[in-house]
Amino acid sequence: QVQLVQSGAEVKKPGSSVKVSCKASGGTFSSYAISWVRQAPGQGLEWMGGIIPIFGTANYAQKFQGRVTITADESTSTAYMELSSLRSEDTAVYYCARAATTVTTPDYWYFDLWGRGTLVTVSS
Amino acid sequence: QSVLTQPPSVSGAPGQRVTISCTGSSSNIGAGYDVHWYQQLPGTAPKLLIYGNSNRPSGVPDRFSGSKSGTSASLAITGLQAEDEADYYCQSYDSSLSGSVFGGGTQLTVL
Repeated sequence: QVQLVQSGAEVKKPGSSVKVSCKASGGTFSSYAISWVRQAPGQGLEWMGGIIPIFGTANYAQKFQGRVTITADESTSTAYMELSSLRSEDTAVYYCARAATTVTTPDYWYFDLWGRGTLVTVSS
Repeated sequence: QSVLTQPPSVSGAPGQRVTISCTGSSSNIGAGYDVHWYQQLPGTAPKLLIYGNSNRPSGVPDRFSGSKSGTSASLAITGLQAEDEADYYCQSYDSSLSGSVFGGGTQLTVL
């Protein structure tokens, strides 16, 4: 049974960057896309972008374009999300989630497997 | 402001039926993109509840059902149980934004 195991909580200063990892434990990513979804305290879910590890091509939400970079290392079945120029509003739990289909375009993506989330706190 | 609009909260007594709406526009639900629903219990990751407008993953009780019409979708829960108390989110794709979008979420309270 594949699980998505995320890296631990981070505390960052405003203006810095954070890189969160998501490893497929007990299996591989196969042909499935991995997306990143964040949730600010007491707020809803927000899609940030996704990547298909075997192709290495990423799609980003317009809101985060230029500030987020999503990569993947297929050899270790690990995906990464790096967010730069952090501000206090980026304080949130960041989830990785696997698309339930192998369709390569995000218009068909929905998410059947989620990591437990990584809390990123941005504070001076 | 979310692209998909959900009521902030709904409530119902045990055994009752509740519905949660998800209203979009011509660039997402109205354009024919599928709607999916997630349940999030406090302090946990979201769980897929309904995919492709009306399909249930294995293990999801048939008390949960989804539908879609025009620019809106709905999640219905029948025979409400205390364990259904959670936040519910709809998700679709928006062609103007070129990405997945979520509703703002609906908190379900079982009275």
